[in-house]
Amino acid sequence: EPEVTQTPSHQVTQMGQEVILRCVPISNHLYFYWYRQILGQKVEFLVSFYNNEISEKSEIFDDQFSVERPDGSNFTLKIRSTKLEDSAMYFCASGGTLMNTEAFFGQGTRLTVV
Amino acid sequence: SQQGEEDPQALSIQEGENATMNCSYKTSINNLQWYRQNSGRGLVHLILIRSNEREKHSGRLRVTLDTSKKSSSLLITASRAADTASYFCATVPSGAQKLVFGQGTRLTINP
Repeated sequence: EPEVTQTPSHQVTQMGQEVILRCVPISNHLYFYWYRQILGQKVEFLVSFYNNEISEKSEIFDDQFSVERPDGSNFTLKIRSTKLEDSAMYFCASGGTLMNTEAFFGQGTRLTVV
Repeated sequence: SQQGEEDPQALSIQEGENATMNCSYKTSINNLQWYRQNSGRGLVHLILIRSNEREKHSGRLRVTLDTSKKSSSLLITASRAADTASYFCATVPSGAQKLVFGQGTRLTINP
């Protein structure tokens, strides 16, 4: 069964460092998303991406964040200068060929900023 | 309360009993979805109900949607120990391209 894969599963980084979280969405999907979940809290929307551009983003997704689909298969989230409060589980999700249908989530990358 | 708030926050029942979780939201929606999350793992989509639908079934799951009350419920019948997980409702607000999640209900099924 097709699935969304995320790497790495766990990343530890020093405050101020740049991190890139990687995702391989399901191959025929057109809609891509990043969400995060701080430990013990709700899942928060970061950004949606369609047709090679951002279609919607939250107030969390400030200038420190960027997304890219560099090669037609990977979908990356970059955090330029990590802060302690960026520590969270980051989930990538992809949706099918129609907007606002079910989303398929990856297993997440646990980011720990020290 | 915020968009997509579930209650109860935690529910513990015996195996075989039915579990009901509720969700309330504030804005108009395109659809409402329920997801399940096992501890520390990804979210698994369970069921989607569109704003013009009132009830939907999938296996042991039954979802209702009342747009006049901006609320939804998820019923899991004949619960099993393997149903132990956190359950989240998520709305797609009208005109938006995102899921807005609630805080979730932690469901524990006791054998």
